[in-house]
Amino acid sequence: DQQVKQNSPSLSVQEGRISILNCDYTNSMFDYFLWYKKYPAEGPTFLISISSIKDKNEDGRFTVFLNKSAKHLSLHIVPSQPGDSAVYFCAASALGGNQFYFGTGTSLTVIP
Amino acid sequence: DTGVSQNPRHKITKRGQNVTFRCDPISEHNRLYWYRQTLGQGPEFLTYFQNEAQLEKSRLLSDRFSAERPKGSFSTLEIQRTEQGDSAMYLCASRRWGANVLTFGAGSRLTVL
Repeated sequence: DQQVKQNSPSLSVQEGRISILNCDYTNSMFDYFLWYKKYPAEGPTFLISISSIKDKNEDGRFTVFLNKSAKHLSLHIVPSQPGDSAVYFCAASALGGNQFYFGTGTSLTVIP
Repeated sequence: DTGVSQNPRHKITKRGQNVTFRCDPISEHNRLYWYRQTLGQGPEFLTYFQNEAQLEKSRLLSDRFSAERPKGSFSTLEIQRTEQGDSAMYLCASRRWGANVLTFGAGSRLTVL
């Protein structure tokens, strides 16, 4: 039962353009969402997060948008850089819960 | 902050053998998690410790798997009688009290022949 879904396994974007990575969730109890970035042979590293009380959170080139009614969030990277090429995982947790549920990941390739 | 350390980074073993992985979390993090990641999948929750107490276990954690965190510091994940289906990346993560972010180690890759 996949509670967090990333339906695009891969995405290619030209350097300097915007990358948009999408994530959907099914559990209405989720109230905190995170994006992780993973390079080969390394563990996932935290990128940005958003609480359900917000609909947008920005950190430099990275912005996460949350649409609670649609149970959808997206990660925008502007401008995209070749070093952004990695696998991006969306994750979610519920208030008072200890588990973090991860999506299957989207592999982003930024073409120089 | 030396990060989360996992050893060994890669283990190749024959089916039926036992393997043990070790995780050293960030020192001030009282919560420790084990996840498993297979090809094309995201990290899947296995188990969680708060200090030395194992508070949650996934149904993915069969009776061949056991995890410990003696004294609430490092943790070990042991897999007995390994099967080819156990081949995966085993990720450890730690979390500070009150924080909503997991910090992952680099993982331990298991290959069962």
